[in-house]
Amino acid sequence: AQSVTQLDSHVSVSEGTPVLLRCNYSSSYSPSLFWYVQHPNKGLQLLLKYTSAATLVKGINGFEAEFKKSETSFHLTKPSAHMSDAAEYFCVVSDNAGKSTFGDGTTLTVKP
Amino acid sequence: NAGVMQNPRHLVRRRGQEARLRCSPMKGHSHVYWYRQLPEEGLKFMVYLQKENIIDESGMPKERFSAEFPKEGPSILRIQQVVRGDSAAYFCASSLTGSGSNQPQHFGDGTRLSIL
Repeated sequence: AQSVTQLDSHVSVSEGTPVLLRCNYSSSYSPSLFWYVQHPNKGLQLLLKYTSAATLVKGINGFEAEFKKSETSFHLTKPSAHMSDAAEYFCVVSDNAGKSTFGDGTTLTVKP
Repeated sequence: NAGVMQNPRHLVRRRGQEARLRCSPMKGHSHVYWYRQLPEEGLKFMVYLQKENIIDESGMPKERFSAEFPKEGPSILRIQQVVRGDSAAYFCASSLTGSGSNQPQHFGDGTRLSIL
């Protein structure tokens, strides 16, 4: 069994300040982990993925995430928020059978 | 550079009618996944299909819901005798051949189903 917990349902930051979206997971396997972003009325877009290579993963739009096995965490960060980053973010864990479990999402608000 | 195509984008049905949602995966992808997203909630897995086979339907309601992915044509999610609680956004995703967990899923823009 696997599960994902996104610790914050809403995060609000000011433009130009750092972003931290937290994600903890549990899995019986060595999981693959993903972050997706969803803009209103759109599908999900892949930001980045961890697949047992480097623990620090760089994604698109300046986002990155660090896999910490000891903490079972995969937090998403960005040094400086942009207005266009305002969206819903989903942390996803996937097992080796291709089944993915989604977190409940974190809504990121960016204030000017 | 066609991504995952879902149609219709919006679908309105009256209670008791049938809803058919279509999904054409990305070119070269033979794995399709359906998810449901209720308002203010995350995506919930429904079913995972490969061509002509249902691999995992553990997230599908036991009644009224069915899915197929025929050898030719799009994947279809079918909801019979719809009820108000079926109102949601339904997303389809596809991945490249092979079921390795490092294959990211590519998502369509979803079908928003409204039940009157």
